[in-house]
Amino acid sequence: GAGVSQSPSNKVTEKGKDVELRCDPISGHTALYWYRQRLGQGLEFLIYFQGNSAPDKSGLPSDRFSAERTGESVSTLTIQRTQQEDSAVYLCASSLFSGANVLTFGAGSRLTVL
Amino acid sequence: DAKTTQPPSMDCAEGRAANLPCNHSTISGNEYVYWYRQIHSQGPQYIIHGLKNNETNEMASLIITEDRKSSTLILPHATLRDTAVYYCIVRAAAGTGANSKLTFGKGITLSVRP
Repeated sequence: GAGVSQSPSNKVTEKGKDVELRCDPISGHTALYWYRQRLGQGLEFLIYFQGNSAPDKSGLPSDRFSAERTGESVSTLTIQRTQQEDSAVYLCASSLFSGANVLTFGAGSRLTVL
Repeated sequence: DAKTTQPPSMDCAEGRAANLPCNHSTISGNEYVYWYRQIHSQGPQYIIHGLKNNETNEMASLIITEDRKSSTLILPHATLRDTAVYYCIVRAAAGTGANSKLTFGKGITLSVRP
């Protein structure tokens, strides 16, 4: 596609529920990144993929967070047993390859945990 | 461990040049300087990057000091749409074995006034 697409754009859930956030990168981009941005804060790195492998998942805040990527394309970020502190905008970015100069970001998925 | 330091905020008048400073005194020889910006409620957007030479594109100019310990992003004719948070980031070049993620700091909030 023309850009990085994320869905849903907005998600409201109850504490304790599981959520899945989806990212469709630019076609042909082999690297994919997930970031989290809490209200009024900067971007926190979560995980990145090169192909379907995740060389760096050091930013995942707890074992409630997981991510996978299939077909060197779409990626899903899953948050289990959501907590209120998980409320944030989750941003996905892709690049031609790992270490490429330009990351293209999606508009983000805004998650609100009640 | 922050690799760059930026003032928290600045403003400039519409139509004037906006000069955004960044200090990166511990930059390594193989690290590039990147600038991204984030307009309210959007994902970050790539602006420009450079190693040691000054760079210019349709969005901005990047001036890097000879010792590479600081740089300035110049928006030559700021418009109201340039109001955003601007992030200065250093990262090693692709193929060096370094981690490919971009680490975002707090950035500098640029407010363009009419």
